[in-house]
Amino acid sequence: DGGITQSPKYLFRKEGQNVTLSCEQNLNHDAMYWYRQDPGQGLRLIYYSQIVNDFQKGDIAEGYSVSREKKESFPLTVTSAQKNPTAFYLCASSPTGYNSPLHFGNGTRLTVT
Amino acid sequence: SQQGEEDPQALSIQEGENATMNCSYKTSINNLQWYRQNSGRGLVHLILIRSNEREKHSGRLRVTLDTSKKSSSLLITASRAADTASYFCATVPGGGFKTIFGAGTRLFVKA
Repeated sequence: DGGITQSPKYLFRKEGQNVTLSCEQNLNHDAMYWYRQDPGQGLRLIYYSQIVNDFQKGDIAEGYSVSREKKESFPLTVTSAQKNPTAFYLCASSPTGYNSPLHFGNGTRLTVT
Repeated sequence: SQQGEEDPQALSIQEGENATMNCSYKTSINNLQWYRQNSGRGLVHLILIRSNEREKHSGRLRVTLDTSKKSSSLLITASRAADTASYFCATVPGGGFKTIFGAGTRLFVKA
């Protein structure tokens, strides 16, 4: 049963701490993405990766970091430099090619206090 | 950067009625996609229309694309309470790779 798994579903952290969100896919997709969604808003692209060991900044990369050491995994670290980290984070994947739709995980809701 | 803008922001209809949502975008595109999101969940892909297509159907969904006006519409016919969700349009700008989402339309279907 292929899909994308994001864990945990809810995450709570104190201000000043780094936190890593997990994203794993078994769809054999080359491309993976991280989006941020704020209440009542659309999705904003944080980082994306088209191939293992390569990734590019999206529109709001400041305060975030990623790695892509394996095809199946694309973890996102929210660093203490991110000024407003509380949000809903969505990971997605797609086959290579710009006419390929995205497959999404069910998200991680991060709350930083 | 927001590429797509949906209209209306929110829509409330009775079960059985049709729901129409519109999307406008700014630059040339490779394709336009529509997604659905239930509250607190990830997005689910509904339909993709390529820049050289004008209309596409999938079950109760009908999507149109007018590249001259840089706009698209999503029609859901004979709506059901289970269609209650947020609907997003997304575009892949021409020559690019990133998928960019609009702010979405919240649809509420009353039983």
